[in-house]
Amino acid sequence: QVQLQESGPGLVKPSETLSLTCTVSGGSFTGYYWSWMRQTPGKGLEWIGHITNTWGTTYNPSLKSRVTISGDRSKTQFSLNLYSVTAADTGMYYCARAAPDQTFDFWGQGTLVTISS
Amino acid sequence: EIVLTQSPGTLSLSPGERATLSCRASQSVPNNYLAWYQQRPGQAPRLLIQGVSSRATDIPDRFSGSGSGTDFTLTISRLEPEDFAVYYCQQYGRSPVTFGGGTKVEIK
Repeated sequence: QVQLQESGPGLVKPSETLSLTCTVSGGSFTGYYWSWMRQTPGKGLEWIGHITNTWGTTYNPSLKSRVTISGDRSKTQFSLNLYSVTAADTGMYYCARAAPDQTFDFWGQGTLVTISS
Repeated sequence: EIVLTQSPGTLSLSPGERATLSCRASQSVPNNYLAWYQQRPGQAPRLLIQGVSSRATDIPDRFSGSGSGTDFTLTISRLEPEDFAVYYCQQYGRSPVTFGGGTKVEIK
């Protein structure tokens, strides 16, 4: 059974960088898209972007200028960096596995990130 | 991007009743790539249905999906206590994937 677990700070100051890591266990990295999603009061559920097992990345155009997703195959981890955050970025952040068709079949439990000084 | 509008916002029903949830897309969803998710309080969304009507692994057959083009429906034939939750539709036919705003199914 595939399991995903998010980790990272729960509080980030405005204008700084939100950094989260997702650790994957119980499954192969190959053949899937490893994704970040968030759920905010303002925009609801929102796809942030993904990284493939060949380390290609695709981002939501609405966030593309502020996002980097990277991976570490040796640790079966992938990470999210969201730059220049504001209060509007406050919400639950989830990592998830997507089939190439982009349905999300396994999710982490989520981590709450608050943007505040 | 394709905008998904779900209705109603809240559905108040009793256990055993039938629930009908709607998802309308701002433009036709390519290949009918439309999925439904269930989110219980404090949990991540769970994939219920993909490709309009194909149930995901271990999803009971009281959940069914239908529709095409821009209008889609999730039906729960007889509500069980664990079905009271929020439901989201998602389109994955055109990038970026997008989600609807959700329908909350609450106990009447």
